[in-house]
Amino acid sequence: QAVVTQEPSLTVSPGGTVTLTCGSSTGAVTSGHYPYWFQQKPGQVPMSLIYDIHNKYSWTPGRFSGSLLGGKAALTLSGAQPEDEADYYCLLSYTANRRVFGGGTKLTVL
Amino acid sequence: DVQLVESGGGLVQPGGSLRLSCTASGFTFSRYWMHWVRQAPGKGLVWLSIIKLDGVTAEYADSVKGRFTISRDNAKNTVYLQMNSLKDEDTAVYYCARFEGLGGSPGDWGQGTLVTVSA
Repeated sequence: QAVVTQEPSLTVSPGGTVTLTCGSSTGAVTSGHYPYWFQQKPGQVPMSLIYDIHNKYSWTPGRFSGSLLGGKAALTLSGAQPEDEADYYCLLSYTANRRVFGGGTKLTVL
Repeated sequence: DVQLVESGGGLVQPGGSLRLSCTASGFTFSRYWMHWVRQAPGKGLVWLSIIKLDGVTAEYADSVKGRFTISRDNAKNTVYLQMNSLKDEDTAVYYCARFEGLGGSPGDWGQGTLVTVSA
């Protein structure tokens, strides 16, 4: 089973920009991995943010964007707000539609 | 409104079995693939299983393959997770989720149900 890697923790200043990445042990992340991104705040159900690399849901704040960057999936937060402090998880798709979550990135807005 | 409501969680002894249910409403259930995801206390999300539209095609994470079985009843708008040979490390909140299907990519999650495996 593939291993999906994320930064364990990142810090961003209020109003600042930060990029979270999502790598795969099998090689470069491509469109064929259909990357998803999720946000989870303490004690809450995960919330879907991004699907298929860069597509947003109707509820996804405009300051979040997804991309492929340097062989990884990336989630960029531009203009961080205090309420963006949360854990962020990526999800990649592999053969036969098996999925693997990354270990998550704890984002601190400070 | 779209709702995914899990049920069936609880306390079970190691080696025991439990069947989780996730009942959907507010959308055409038969048009979407359904997933199960879990989260152990204080840990990250772990993808467990997917079942496709036909109710036959299913895939599993290595950690649960052979012990867990996903199924669906489109007439009841419900997806199930049969969990056998439970271990302490299966203790987690179990979520069902709807990520993709014929109708698009909805991104919905249930509220979760807690499974505790302990003697």
